[in-house]
Amino acid sequence: DTGVSQNPRHKITKRGQNVTFRCDPISEHNRLYWYRQTLGQGPEFLTYFQNEAQLEKSRLLSDRFSAERPKGSFSTLEIQRTEQGDSAMYLCASSPTGEQFFGPGTRLTVL
Amino acid sequence: GNSVTQMEGPVTLSEEAFLTINCTYTATGYPSLFWYVQYPGEGLQLLLKATKADDKGSNKGFEATYRKETTSFHLEKGSVQVSDSAVYFCAPSEGFGNEKLTFGTGTRLTIIP
Repeated sequence: DTGVSQNPRHKITKRGQNVTFRCDPISEHNRLYWYRQTLGQGPEFLTYFQNEAQLEKSRLLSDRFSAERPKGSFSTLEIQRTEQGDSAMYLCASSPTGEQFFGPGTRLTVL
Repeated sequence: GNSVTQMEGPVTLSEEAFLTINCTYTATGYPSLFWYVQYPGEGLQLLLKATKADDKGSNKGFEATYRKETTSFHLEKGSVQVSDSAVYFCAPSEGFGNEKLTFGTGTRLTIIP
């Protein structure tokens, strides 16, 4: 399968712990996006990369959140000192140009 | 930034009924417009898109026309099937080469046999 993959698919953590999610985009897609989706809402933009450069960050991305794409391939999203409000589905998408292809998401539950 | 107003759900229709899901947007740029669909238990999938005014996107019997004058991109299908039951999201891009998407709240569609 050559779609966007995300790991883990589910993560349960306790408040205050750090978590890291990984996204593997479709090969040769130079743009990579992170979104967050809460129950009953549409996805909200968090950040995006063109190759290894992080070009835009949403105000939603507090200083507890950091994203990297070190070699312009896979990306990681880390949340430090998790809070219950961080519970959501975290979606990754990649794009050559134009339409975005979404991964299955990582569902985070903060207890 | 952009904003999207999408028809509130849930929407329940009988099989073979005509479907319209309204979507209007505000944008400072000249966005491309997308409809994404999320089937139960699955990820977001692109349903159709339009990149300039008066373009019509179509896929799987669904259609939507880019109306710049009314800033709308309404989704239509002439005869829905049970398998169309899903959540539908309208999403303009930022424009000016920025592909960041702004999603509506989604419209949950249920088709009953």
